[in-house]
Amino acid sequence: DGGITQSPKYLFRKEGQNVTLSCEQNLNHDAMYWYRQDPGQGLRLIYYSQIVNDFQKGDIAEGYSVSREKKESFPLTVTSAQKNPTAFYLCASSFSGGYNEQFFGPGTRLTVL
Amino acid sequence: GQQVMQIPQYQHVQEGEDFTTYCNSSTTLSNIQWYKQRPGGHPVFLIQLVKSGEVKKQKRLTFQFGEAKKNSSLHITATQTTDVGTYFCAASLNRDDKIIFGKGTRLHILP
Repeated sequence: DGGITQSPKYLFRKEGQNVTLSCEQNLNHDAMYWYRQDPGQGLRLIYYSQIVNDFQKGDIAEGYSVSREKKESFPLTVTSAQKNPTAFYLCASSFSGGYNEQFFGPGTRLTVL
Repeated sequence: GQQVMQIPQYQHVQEGEDFTTYCNSSTTLSNIQWYKQRPGGHPVFLIQLVKSGEVKKQKRLTFQFGEAKKNSSLHITATQTTDVGTYFCAASLNRDDKIIFGKGTRLHILP
């Protein structure tokens, strides 16, 4: 069953702790993306990767880190340096290029207490 | 950087009324994509427009790409409660660029 998965769906962490959000796809997509969505807000790009072992900062990369060691996986770490980490995090994937639709995972809702 | 402006930010309509959201750019776009996000869900791709002046329809939804390829619209005829959600446009400047999302229009349907 092809698709893109994110885990967990809900995540609670104490302030000052790093946390890693998982994103896996079996769609054979080259490109993967992380977005942050705050209540009533649009999608803000955190990081994206167009090929294994390479990634670029998006509009709001500060306080976040990523890795792309495998084509299928693009984990996002929310570090303690991120000042307002509580948000809904969406992972997406696509074939490379702006003409290809993005497929989104179900999202992870992170709450930092 | 490139920005795609989407208006309105919010729209309340009576069930059965029509709804339109607009997406505008100061630069010529290569393509426009439209996505829908249901409350509590994730964005889902609806359609892509590539050609100048292109119009595509999906049942009650009509998508249009401007002649100058700087704007686009999504029009819903006779809204239903199932249309509730946030509609995003997304665009790229050229074929190899990643797409940039607008901030979305949140549609509320009043019964």
